[in-house]
Amino acid sequence: GAGVSQSPSNKVTEKGKDVELRCDPISGHTALYWYRQSLGQGLEFLIYFQGNSAPDKSGLPSDRFSAERTGGSVSTLTIQRTQQEDSAVYLCASSLAIPSGELFFGEGSRLTVL
Amino acid sequence: DAKTTQPNSMESNEEEPVHLPCNHSTISGTDYIHWYRQLPSQGPEYVIHGLTSNVNNRMASLAIAEDRKSSTLILHRATLRDAAVYYCILKAAGNKLTFGGGTRVLVKP
Repeated sequence: GAGVSQSPSNKVTEKGKDVELRCDPISGHTALYWYRQSLGQGLEFLIYFQGNSAPDKSGLPSDRFSAERTGGSVSTLTIQRTQQEDSAVYLCASSLAIPSGELFFGEGSRLTVL
Repeated sequence: DAKTTQPNSMESNEEEPVHLPCNHSTISGTDYIHWYRQLPSQGPEYVIHGLTSNVNNRMASLAIAEDRKSSTLILHRATLRDAAVYYCILKAAGNKLTFGGGTRVLVKP
């Protein structure tokens, strides 16, 4: 596709369930970022993948959160035993791995935990 | 991470220019200055970026101070559609990107 694709666009789940959010970056983009945005707040960094390097997981809020990137392309963010405070829009972005490479964001996955 | 500081909000009248400042006093020599904006209920979108020289594109202009410790995004003629949160960030090779709170721009008709 032409841009970053995220799915699902909306997810409603019950507290305690696991959820998976998917990000399809732009082809050729070796850098991939996950952010979380709660209502009315800024972008909170979660995790960063760069090529074959170990991901920077410093933003993951708890061990219930994990992410992987298979084959250097598609990424999945998994939240286990969801809590109500996990409700937010989860945004994925990709870019070329150079400082001048602009970020392209997906439309986000809106997660609501009841 | 090199951090940026921006005012929380700014107001402008429609058709007038908007100057959005960003301070980045700890910028390193290889950091690029990027600007993004987030319209209501949308993901952020790229606006402009630069290293040392001033830059112009169809959306905006970027003025970078000679010492690179600050920059200004210039919207030449604000429209109602320019109402958004504008983020200034520093991007280096191989580093994560953290966004600050950005500047919320309100455009009055």
